[in-house]
Amino acid sequence: GNSVTQMEGPVTLSEEAFLTINCTYTATGYPSLFWYVQYPGEGLQLLLKATKADDKGSNKGFEATYRKETTSFHLEKGSVQVSDSAVYFCALTPYNNNDMRFGAGTRLTVKP
Amino acid sequence: DTAVSQTPKYLVTQMGNDKSIKCEQNLGHDTMYWYKQDSKKFLKIMFSYNNKELIINETVPNRFSPKSPDKAHLNLHINSLELGDSAVYFCASSQDLTSGSYEQYFGPGTRLTVT
Repeated sequence: GNSVTQMEGPVTLSEEAFLTINCTYTATGYPSLFWYVQYPGEGLQLLLKATKADDKGSNKGFEATYRKETTSFHLEKGSVQVSDSAVYFCALTPYNNNDMRFGAGTRLTVKP
Repeated sequence: DTAVSQTPKYLVTQMGNDKSIKCEQNLGHDTMYWYKQDSKKFLKIMFSYNNKELIINETVPNRFSPKSPDKAHLNLHINSLELGDSAVYFCASSQDLTSGSYEQYFGPGTRLTVT
């Protein structure tokens, strides 16, 4: 079946550190891939997406590249800020299907 | 303008009661969803509705029933509430498949506490 596996947290970084949150997926065909962010007490917000192999999604300094050969969609940011502290979810939808599958979420805490 | 809204934001009730959570989206989307998020932040899809037709139901107890009076609304009714129902419930919506855009837009959540 379709599923997403992301690195377990929590992740704690100092401000301006480099961030990587790993995400791998299992799916038939060509899924669309997403990263969502959930700030404390809020709903999920779409952070970035990629819909085909080698696409790079980017937003607010975050990037992720759709790697079909490694079935991965790792999230990266070159310099994190305290305001990036949140829970990050990797997700996929199968090709031509809106049945979205989420990873377990990774909590990021950035300290000043 | 709020894209996906839910009411109430907080709901505290006793075991055995019946309660409803309302959801509205003003994005013109065709599909709406309900998710349950547990204390460890794990998200579980409960239902989705497309043009008033249920298309996903992931082994949810029949005490939970979605009701969609129109394309912009998907309410969640819960009968005989149990302690294990305590969680945050999120409503979401997305466009139809022909748009090629599958991202979902989430509401702010309803924190349900059953005592």
